[in-house]
Amino acid sequence: AQSVTQPDIHITVSEGASLELRCNYSYGATPYLFWYVQSPGQGLQLLLKYFSGDTLVQGIKGFEAEFKRSQSSFNLRKPSVHWSDAAEYFCAVGAGTASKLTFGTGTRLQVTL
Amino acid sequence: GAGVSQSPRYKVTKRGQDVTLRCDPISSHATLYWYQQALGQGPEFLTYFNYEAQPDKSGLPSDRFSAERPEGSISTLTIQRTEQRDSAMYRCASSAGLAGSDTQYFGPGTRLTVL
Repeated sequence: AQSVTQPDIHITVSEGASLELRCNYSYGATPYLFWYVQSPGQGLQLLLKYFSGDTLVQGIKGFEAEFKRSQSSFNLRKPSVHWSDAAEYFCAVGAGTASKLTFGTGTRLQVTL
Repeated sequence: GAGVSQSPRYKVTKRGQDVTLRCDPISSHATLYWYQQALGQGPEFLTYFNYEAQPDKSGLPSDRFSAERPEGSISTLTIQRTEQRDSAMYRCASSAGLAGSDTQYFGPGTRLTVL
């Protein structure tokens, strides 16, 4: 069965600083990997996804993530964080057809001005 | 519709009551998922539909939970004889198809509180 680990429960960064959120997954074959963001009162919004091809994936809002098979990781990055990026971020893995997603426990990002 | 909608947004009920939650997916989407998200956790899969068929119920916690999608569009999730441990955010998502790469679009969720 697939699983996802997000080791950081809570991260605080200053506005303008760079950001990296960690995600490690467990799955036997090539996974489908997703990053979602959850803002208060909002649904989960897809930031980016990886399922094949280039291992560096660009997403919305200036986010990117890199798939590293050797490390079973799919870390999310942003060069310069904005105050509006404060939210909870979830990494998820899916597999094959009818891909029910398995989510990590999330990382809450706080941005200080 | 333009996005996935869910109703009600908040539901407070007493232990032992039945509740029904509704999901209205993106109109062109064949596949619909239900997830349960406890406080401080990520969403956990409950069940999914491909049109009106329900091939996988493996995530439903007990037989008190049931879901249907009779016409392949709107879906309902019913919890009978609610218990306090059922308190959670219930999220619905829809996708265009069954491919693993198909994006799941999530609704705002229904926050269920069982007193």
